[in-house]
This record gives sequence, structure tokens and C-alpha cells, in this order.
Amino acid sequence: EPEVTQTPSHQVTQMGQEVILRCVPISNHLYFYWYRQILGQKVEFLVSFYNNEISEKSEIFDDQFSVERPDGSNFTLKIRSTKLEDSAMYFCASSSTPTEKLFFGSGTQLSVL
Amino acid sequence: AQSVAQPEDQVNVAEGNPLTVKCTYSVSGNPYLFWYVQYPNRGLQFLLKYITGDNLVKGSYGFEAEFNKSQTSFHLKKPSALVSDSALYFCAVRDRRGGGFKTIFGAGTRLFVKA
Repeated sequence: EPEVTQTPSHQVTQMGQEVILRCVPISNHLYFYWYRQILGQKVEFLVSFYNNEISEKSEIFDDQFSVERPDGSNFTLKIRSTKLEDSAMYFCASSSTPTEKLFFGSGTQLSVL
Repeated sequence: AQSVAQPEDQVNVAEGNPLTVKCTYSVSGNPYLFWYVQYPNRGLQFLLKYITGDNLVKGSYGFEAEFNKSQTSFHLKKPSALVSDSALYFCAVRDRRGGGFKTIFGAGTRLFVKA
């Protein structure tokens, strides 16, 4: 089965530093998403992306966050100045249509020290 | 605004017994409903979905779910639990209306199946 791949699997950074989390969605998918999960608990929606623009974002996704699809295969999440509370597992997902199931990557565990 | 509630943090069942993981939802219109499962150190995996039609939906690994519009519920069920079903289960909902593509997840229910 096709997979969403995420790199790195773990990222450790100092508070205030910028981080970029990378994702390669499934190749023929058009809808892309970022979610995060803190301490293995609730999965929180961050942002959805379609046709090279954000289609919806949550309150969590403030000005410190941005997403980009720099080429035909990658989808990135940037946090400009990390805070301690940004520590979480970040999941990328993609889907072929907005109503179809989401395919999730294995996640990037971000630790902000 | 759409929301999902999973009232049980944890469900314990014995292997071979039937299991139910509960989910209720709130959306403005008719929903798309999903169940996902998460194993340790993995991303979420799709189990099943309800879009329209038959209220009983069958999915992967012998799981099924029943859509009940009057009770706004979408409970996950399996007739005979396996130890390997032990995992974290998430109910999810997406509102059909609007241009955004936001799927909202419940808080998750941890299922323990004891041998």
C-alpha cells in the first residue's frame, strides 16, 4: 500500500529556534494535512492544504506556523520560533479527495528544550 | 462547529468477547464519519467510514460500526475481540458543508483485550 513518509522521525531543538518538518504525501493525492498529538493523547488538527493554498486552519496554527509545497512531492511544516508547548508528535496526512480516508505518516516527534 | 466525543478513556474486554467503543458527534449538517486505529509509535490507520447508505458499515480486521442519526452516534464494534486488537482507537468526523477540509478526531479510546 502507498505510504506517506515523514522526516526526521525525531527532532530536538532549543526554544526559539526554527524547525522544518518534512513530508512526502502519496503521489497522486491532492489534499494535505498536518495534525499533532501530545503525549499520545488527542489528535489535533492544525491545517489543511489544497491547490497550493491553505484551505482551513485551527487556532493552534498561528503566525509562527507555515506550510509549503515547494515542489511536486514535498509538503513542509515550519515553526519559526519554537516554544516548549510545541513539543508533540506531528503527523502529516494526505487524501485523494476531501471526503476520502486520510493516509498518515509515522510522525515526527518534536522535542523543544 | 463540529466535535466528536469518545466517552470512555479505556475499554477492557476478554479475548473472544464482543467489543464496543463508543462515539458521538456534533455537526451542523450530515457528517462523514470515520474510525482510525493507532498502534504504538505509528501513525493512524483507517478502519472504516460512513458516507451514506446502509447504517451498518463494515471495515478492516472484522470491525464494523453503526451510524445512528437520531442518537448522533457511530459506535465501533467487533463480534469477537483479539489480543492484537489492543490499540488506541479514534473516531473522526468531517462536516459535509463548507469549503474547508477539516477532519476532527475524538480524544481516543484505549482498548485492552486480555487473553
